[in-house]
Amino acid sequence: SQKIEQNSEALNIQEGKTATLTCNYTNYSPAYLQWYRQDPGRGPVFLLLIRENEKEKRKERLKVTFDTTLKQSLFHITASQPADSATYLCALPGGSYIPTFGRGTSLIVHP
Amino acid sequence: KAGVTQTPRYLIKTRGQQVTLSCSPISGHRSVSWYQQTPGQGLQFLFEYFSETQRNKGNFPGRFSGRQFSNSRSEMNVSTLELGDSALYLCASSLMAGGLYEQYFGPGTRLTVT
Repeated sequence: SQKIEQNSEALNIQEGKTATLTCNYTNYSPAYLQWYRQDPGRGPVFLLLIRENEKEKRKERLKVTFDTTLKQSLFHITASQPADSATYLCALPGGSYIPTFGRGTSLIVHP
Repeated sequence: KAGVTQTPRYLIKTRGQQVTLSCSPISGHRSVSWYQQTPGQGLQFLFEYFSETQRNKGNFPGRFSGRQFSNSRSEMNVSTLELGDSALYLCASSLMAGGLYEQYFGPGTRLTVT
C-alpha cells in the first residue's frame, strides 16, 4: 500500500527565514500531490496541489516542488511568520487508491 | 459560502453503544469523505461518497458505515463502539470525487468512548 513519510520532529525556525518541509512517498506513482495546513483542534485546510508534470508551483509565499524520480515533494514557506506555525500535511489522492495523508510536520516560527 | 458543518462537535459514548455523526458539505459539492484522526495513526481515510454511492473505502472494520443523501449530506455510523474508536472524525467535501479536487474539511466531531 502507498506510504507517506514526513519529518516527525518539529521544525523550529526564526521569523523571516525560509521553512522547508519534506514529504517522501513509496509504493505509488501519483499523478498529483496535495499539501494541507492544520491548526490544533481544527480540520486541515487545503493549500496547494501539484501535478506530476509540474516541477514547481507557487502561491504567494508558498512553493511546492514535486520530484517523481526521487518520489519526494518539498514545501517551502518564504519570509516565514509566527502565524505560519501549524502542522503541515502532505496527501496523496484517492481515485483508484485510498487517499493517504502523512502524519504531518509541526512548524514553529519564533519571533 | 458556508463551510462544511459537522454535528455534533463533541460526543461521549460508552463501549458497546453506537453513534451517528452528521456532515453537511459545501453547497454544490457532491463528494463527501470521512476520516478518522488519532495521535497515534494520524489522518486515516474511512470512505468517500459521491451521488449517494460509496466510491472508495479505507481499511476499517464493517462496524464503520456511512451513507449519503440526495442533498449530498452524509452520515457516518459506528456500531459496537470500542475504546480505540475515540478520535476526531473529520468530514471533507469536494466538488467532484477522485482526489484531484481540493477537499474542504469540517471542524470535526470529537468522539470519546469510555
